[in-house]
Amino acid sequence: QLQESGPRLVKPSETLSLTCTVSGGSFRSSSYYGGWIRQPPGKGLEWIGSILYTGSTYHNASLKSRVTISMDTSKNQFSLNLTSVTAADTAVYYCARHRGSGYSFIDHWGQGILVSVSS
Amino acid sequence: DIVLTQSPDSLAVSLGERATINCKSSQSILYSPNNKNHLAWYQQKPGQPPKLLLYWASTRESGVPDRFSGSGSATDFTLTISNLEAEDVAVYYCQQHYTTPPTFGQGTRLEIK
Repeated sequence: QLQESGPRLVKPSETLSLTCTVSGGSFRSSSYYGGWIRQPPGKGLEWIGSILYTGSTYHNASLKSRVTISMDTSKNQFSLNLTSVTAADTAVYYCARHRGSGYSFIDHWGQGILVSVSS
Repeated sequence: DIVLTQSPDSLAVSLGERATINCKSSQSILYSPNNKNHLAWYQQKPGQPPKLLLYWASTRESGVPDRFSGSGSATDFTLTISNLEAEDVAVYYCQQHYTTPPTFGQGTRLEIK
């Protein structure tokens, strides 16, 4: 199972930081990529990026300069940092598991966390 | 990036009838080395995360009813839901997993007529 956590309100120009905690198995031994996907309210899905326990990452180039995806295998967690946020970054953020490559289909999703960007 | 365009944007189907949703890719997502189409379908109900229904265009995920089926190849794909049930009301998304970044269609809202 996957569970997102982090602040639900972020001020414009600041950094959005979220953590995904993996339970029911070891992220390190799973050989699956952990990913981040977001969904603005009432809109579609946008893939942000993914990470393997080795540290190998994939990023969406549209966000790459603002995105850092990292992991802490000792805590069975992986994290997302998104810098210089604006109102356009308001969305439900999901952590998820890719089956296969770092851009493969997603077979497990967290429940999602709504993060609002507002002053 | 590969663009996926779904049609229609919304549809209403009677209980027990068949629903058909299309997904068109801006380029072929048929991977020649394994002869597989890298397309997945998801179902999203209000307030819930998406749920994987199908991958490789037509392989049903474990636990998904066989009322859900996928077809198509290269650039044109279809999700078919047979014998529509009330619980099928949701938004359906296609996703290409052929190349990075993986991209999604805009979604199709399915309602009961």
